[in-house]
Amino acid sequence: KAGVTQTPRYLIKTRGQQVTLSCSPISGHRSVSWYQQTPGQGLQFLFEYFSETQRNKGNFPGRFSGRQFSNSRSEMNVSTLELGDSALYLCASGKDSHSGANVLTFGAGSRLTVL
Amino acid sequence: GQNIDQPTEMTATEGAIVQINCTYQTSGFNGLFWYQQHAGEAPTFLSYNVLDGLEEKGRFSSFLSRSKGYSYLLLKELQMKDSASYLCAVRDAASNAGNNRKLIWGLGTSLAVNP
Repeated sequence: KAGVTQTPRYLIKTRGQQVTLSCSPISGHRSVSWYQQTPGQGLQFLFEYFSETQRNKGNFPGRFSGRQFSNSRSEMNVSTLELGDSALYLCASGKDSHSGANVLTFGAGSRLTVL
Repeated sequence: GQNIDQPTEMTATEGAIVQINCTYQTSGFNGLFWYQQHAGEAPTFLSYNVLDGLEEKGRFSSFLSRSKGYSYLLLKELQMKDSASYLCAVRDAASNAGNNRKLIWGLGTSLAVNP
């Protein structure tokens, strides 16, 4: 089965612009989580969506938002970009099983550079 | 607060055994994960522990002590391809509803395997 697909893989923006990143989870997975990864901060949780509803949210400003569609695809948006938003944005999908480990499968990421 | 500690870097020799430690302080506990991340790639799942003890999976084993807030990942018969970052993550049971509770991540341990 296909893995988690993230687009675009690389993008360059300037300060003040906005960006939208897309994630298609593994077929049958209804949970999508978004993370920001930087060398100094590691993986920071942004938010998690399940069945089109935001179920968990990390400690990021309101400039970071997301949504999930009925086919489980998810998008995240960052408005008014700042230099510090330069990072690798990872999407992870999960089955949301009610027993055992709910293993996350990550996409390859979208590397955002803000100039 | 919530915190996960791992060594930043480790070096080992091909064919040897290496143990990567992880200590955590979280408001709740609902499982601990180890992920491997090669440079420029997505993290991939290695192991999951929710009960105390050792879980063995081929060359990799993971141990958990909930009373000590401690886990380790043991890599045997090291190969060059094991050079990667190893991420420890704890699922915090204190998050919002749903089984897919928020994961708290360590910064990762960068392992270099030398010939």
